[in-house]
Amino acid sequence: AQSVTQLGSHVSVSEGALVLLRCNYSSSVPPYLFWYVQYPNQGLQLLLKYTTGATLVKGINGFEAEFKKSETSFHLTKPSAHMSDAAEYFCAVRSPSGSARQLTFGSGTQLTVLP
Amino acid sequence: DSGVTQTPKHLITATGQRVTLRCSPRSGDLSVYWYQQSLDQGLQFLIQYYNGEERAKGNILERFSAQQFPDLHSELNLSSLELGDSALYFCASSVKDYGYTFGSGTRLTVV
Repeated sequence: AQSVTQLGSHVSVSEGALVLLRCNYSSSVPPYLFWYVQYPNQGLQLLLKYTTGATLVKGINGFEAEFKKSETSFHLTKPSAHMSDAAEYFCAVRSPSGSARQLTFGSGTQLTVLP
Repeated sequence: DSGVTQTPKHLITATGQRVTLRCSPRSGDLSVYWYQQSLDQGLQFLIQYYNGEERAKGNILERFSAQQFPDLHSELNLSSLELGDSALYFCASSVKDYGYTFGSGTRLTVV
């Protein structure tokens, strides 16, 4: 069974500062990994995903994440935070094979951007 | 608009009642997933349907059931509702199981 741990339920950064949201996974095989963002009263929007290939994945809104198998991590970064980045961010994992195709989500990280 | 349509957006009902949540997937997507989001449990996978057939089950209560119809829309039925069932219920659809698109959710309040 796979699981995801997001370190830090709340992260605050200043506008223009680096955003780093941490995600570690547990899986017997390298999984597919996803980052989603949820704005208040809205659904989840895909930021980026890693399936195979290049381990540095670029997503929307200037976000990127790097799959590090040795560290079982998939941290999300953005060089310069914008006020509009304030939202909740979820890391998710899925097995690359087998019949279980559903996503397993972490508990989420609420990002606050300070002016 | 993500292309996944969920209705209703809000639902308020009393304990013991039964409700039906509806999801229309993106055009061409055969898989539908249902998730429950609550403050204490986070995002929990409930059930998946693929082209009309149940494919996977998660933490779905026996009081809950779902189905996917020939036109691929799906319904989640919640019965004998309890206060603890109050949550946001999301539907997601996918075509190749790594392009999940979520709807905007149905907020269920049980009073």
